[in-house]
Amino acid sequence: GAGVSQSPSNKVTEKGKDVELRCDPISGHTALYWYRQSLGQGLEFLIYFQGNSAPDKSGLPSDRFSAERTGGSVSTLTIQRTQQEDSAVYLCASSPRTSGNQETQYFGPGTRLLVL
Amino acid sequence: RKEVEQDPGPFNVPEGATVAFNCTYSNSASQSFFWYRQDCRKEPKLLMSVYSSGNEDGRFTAQLNRASQYISLLIRDSKLSDSATYLCVVNGGGSYIPTFGRGTSLIVHP
Repeated sequence: GAGVSQSPSNKVTEKGKDVELRCDPISGHTALYWYRQSLGQGLEFLIYFQGNSAPDKSGLPSDRFSAERTGGSVSTLTIQRTQQEDSAVYLCASSPRTSGNQETQYFGPGTRLLVL
Repeated sequence: RKEVEQDPGPFNVPEGATVAFNCTYSNSASQSFFWYRQDCRKEPKLLMSVYSSGNEDGRFTAQLNRASQYISLLIRDSKLSDSATYLCVVNGGGSYIPTFGRGTSLIVHP
């Protein structure tokens, strides 16, 4: 079946511009996560959505970052007034979140963001 | 102390070698554990879950030591295609947010 998809795959933008990154999770998956990964670094958690619950935004690095998830499916991560340090790969993952914590995350291919 | 720690490597081994990685975690209430594999410029993919009793999948064996709070991954008969970064993931302990280690780099050479 279809996996997690993300768009665009690559994005080059100028400092100060806003960008929107999109994630389409696997159908039926209730949990959705956004991470970012800088070159040679580990995954940095950004935000977590679970069903209709309020998202866990504890990982967002600044108020320039926001995300929404419409209809419990597609999610958009928005970065306003981009800075060069925002350059990274932004990864989205979904999971079925069936019970407990024993769940697998399925990652999308990521969006490579470069801020000039 | 970081929540999940891994030796970044790289581990540079010849084909056919056996190699083992460890990963330590700080939250004793953690409940689930995984190893993911990430190829260069690709997304992470699940390699295997780690069960309390230990589990094996072909050439890969994962172990959990709750007393010492670490998990391990053993790869036997290494292949060139095993070259990748191996990420340790720990979940639970009061949060639904998985914690990723920074990964251990493995290079298998001919």
